[in-house]
Amino acid sequence: GQNIDQPTEMTATEGAIVQINCTYQTSGFNGLFWYQQHAGEAPTFLSYNVLDGLEEKGRFSSFLSRSKGYSYLLLKELQMKDSASYLCAVRPSGNTPLVFGKGTRLSVIA
Amino acid sequence: KAGVTQTPRYLIKTRGQQVTLSCSPISGHRSVSWYQQTPGQGLQFLFEYFSETQRNKGNFPGRFSGRQFSNSRSEMNVSTLELGDSALYLCASSLRNLQETQYFGPGTRLLVL
Repeated sequence: GQNIDQPTEMTATEGAIVQINCTYQTSGFNGLFWYQQHAGEAPTFLSYNVLDGLEEKGRFSSFLSRSKGYSYLLLKELQMKDSASYLCAVRPSGNTPLVFGKGTRLSVIA
Repeated sequence: KAGVTQTPRYLIKTRGQQVTLSCSPISGHRSVSWYQQTPGQGLQFLFEYFSETQRNKGNFPGRFSGRQFSNSRSEMNVSTLELGDSALYLCASSLRNLQETQYFGPGTRLLVL
């Protein structure tokens, strides 16, 4: 079966650092995406990991451990505009659809 | 380059009616996928079209159907609407297949009364 787990909600303070975890169990693994979705808007691509390790992109970093079926998205220097849902999505093997987690709703407070 | 566009943005229908949603992918993208997003289930895959052919299908009943035109634009249709069909319907496009980075449209929010 396909299963992706993320925390439902998180709250963090402006200027702080927050880590959003994602664990997965899927039929094969070809990579992992993170998307950001503001309320009422389209999901937008943030990052993609296929090899173990940390990928840094400005204030956002994403980490992958394939042996542990685990990834996290790290957001630094939080801003109010980072309040959004963050979706973890796995590429299973073969030409099959991405499997999405239900998303983590992050609220950034002053 | 223009992004993925979807029309209409909002729809209100009653049970038993049918609805058609439209999606225009990013220019040059040939793979178009449709997803249903609800608070309880998250993003669930409906189907994928490539070169006017349905290439992948999710676990939705036959009331959900779609098609793709020669210019890669796509439509999805839901017949005999049920209350549980109320959701945000997202279209996503990619260059060749549904395992690449998906570029999403703003979605059509459907409310079934």
